[in-house]
Amino acid sequence: DGGITQSPKYLFRKEGQNVTLSCEQNLNHDAMYWYRQDPGQGLRLIYYSQIVNDFQKGDIAEGYSVSREKKESFPLTVTSAQKNPTAFYLCASSQMRGANEQYFGPGTRLTVT
Amino acid sequence: QKEVEQNSGPLSVPEGAIASLNCTYSDRVSQSFFWYRQYSGKSPELIMSIYSNGDKEDGRFTAQLNKASQYVSLLIRDSQPSDSATYLCAPRKGKLIFGQGTELSVKP
Repeated sequence: DGGITQSPKYLFRKEGQNVTLSCEQNLNHDAMYWYRQDPGQGLRLIYYSQIVNDFQKGDIAEGYSVSREKKESFPLTVTSAQKNPTAFYLCASSQMRGANEQYFGPGTRLTVT
Repeated sequence: QKEVEQNSGPLSVPEGAIASLNCTYSDRVSQSFFWYRQYSGKSPELIMSIYSNGDKEDGRFTAQLNKASQYVSLLIRDSQPSDSATYLCAPRKGKLIFGQGTELSVKP
């Protein structure tokens, strides 16, 4: 059963702690993406990766870090430097060729208090 | 000016009516256009893609693209309560650029 998985679904952390969100895909997609969504807002791109061991900053990369050691995996770390980390985090993937249609995982809702 | 503009809504239509969702974008070199549906608390789901001027139909959904006017729309025929969701427009220029979405409410 192909798809994108994100874990956990809900995550609670205290302010000042780093937290890592998991994203795995078995679609054999080359590119993977992390977005943030705040209530009533559209999606904002945090980081993306088009190939293993390479990634680029999106529009709001400050306070976040990523790695891409395997094609299937693209974890996102929310660091203590992120001023307002509470949000809905979405991972997506796409092929690099053709229409580049992006498909999303179920998301992780992070609450930092 | 935002790169992608959508009316936030809510857009309310009666069951069985046609819902019309509109999107304008500011960059003339957008290559592909996608419509996503997002139910409350869920992740976006791709429902339509369109790459060339004109109409593209898929079941009850029709996407319309006018590159000269930088305008893309989504029509939903025979609207159902299950169509109630937020619809996100996303032109692609290298990466996807998402609008803030239009909330659609279909009343029984």
